[in-house]
Amino acid sequence: AQSVTQPDIHITVSEGASLELRCNYSYGATPYLFWYVQSPGQGLQLLLKYFSGDTLVQGIKGFEAEFKRSQSSFNLRKPSVHWSDAAEYFCAVGGRGSQGNLIFGKGTKLSVKP
Amino acid sequence: EPEVTQTPSHQVTQMGQEVILRCVPISNHLYFYWYRQILGQKVEFLVSFYNNEISEKSEIFDDQFSVERPDGSNFTLKIRSTKLEDSAMYFCASSGPGLAGAETQYFGPGTRLLVL
Repeated sequence: AQSVTQPDIHITVSEGASLELRCNYSYGATPYLFWYVQSPGQGLQLLLKYFSGDTLVQGIKGFEAEFKRSQSSFNLRKPSVHWSDAAEYFCAVGGRGSQGNLIFGKGTKLSVKP
Repeated sequence: EPEVTQTPSHQVTQMGQEVILRCVPISNHLYFYWYRQILGQKVEFLVSFYNNEISEKSEIFDDQFSVERPDGSNFTLKIRSTKLEDSAMYFCASSGPGLAGAETQYFGPGTRLLVL
C-alpha cells in the first residue's frame, strides 16, 4: 500500500540550531516527493520537490531535502532554524500513474525556542 | 505570483444543508484537485479533475460530493447534505499545464467548514 510516514509528531529546536525532519514512504513506482509547510490557519506552501536527477534538492526559505532510494526516505533539513520556521511540515508522495493525487504524511509540528 | 484562491475562508452550516466551496485555480493550469484535512489529521485526497471530468476519486468522495467547473475560472466542490463528519478544512489545488500526474500542485488557503 502507498503511504508516507513522518515518525516525529512534534519537534522542538532552539533558534539557530539545525533541523532534520524525517519522512519515509512506501510507493510502488518511482515517486515524486514533496515537502509542504502549513503555518497556523494558513494553506499549504510548497517548500521543495524531487522528481528525478540530483538527489539533494534545494527549496525555499533555506530548506533542502535528500532523496535516498535505498532507505525510501526524503528527509528535510535546514542548517539554522529561524523562529518564523515554526509551523507544521508535511511530506507527500505522488506519481504519474496516480492521476496526480498526493499522499500525505501526518505532519510534523515544529516549535522553535528562542 | 499566481495563486490559488478559495472562498469562503470559513463556512458554518447546519447538518443536512448543502454547501458549495469555491476555488479559482491558477489560470493556465489544467488539473484540479480537492483535498480535506480533518482537525488534527492528515491531508486526504478527495478528487482530481481534468478536461471537464473526474480523473480519480477517493473512497471519501461518495455520492454526497460533486465537483464542477462551471466556467473558465471557477472550480467548485458541492456537498449535497452535510454531515457532522464533513467538518474539516477543504483545500483546492491545481497543477499543469505540463505532465499529468503529480506535476507540482499549488494549494489554496483552504475553506474551514464547520457542520453543526
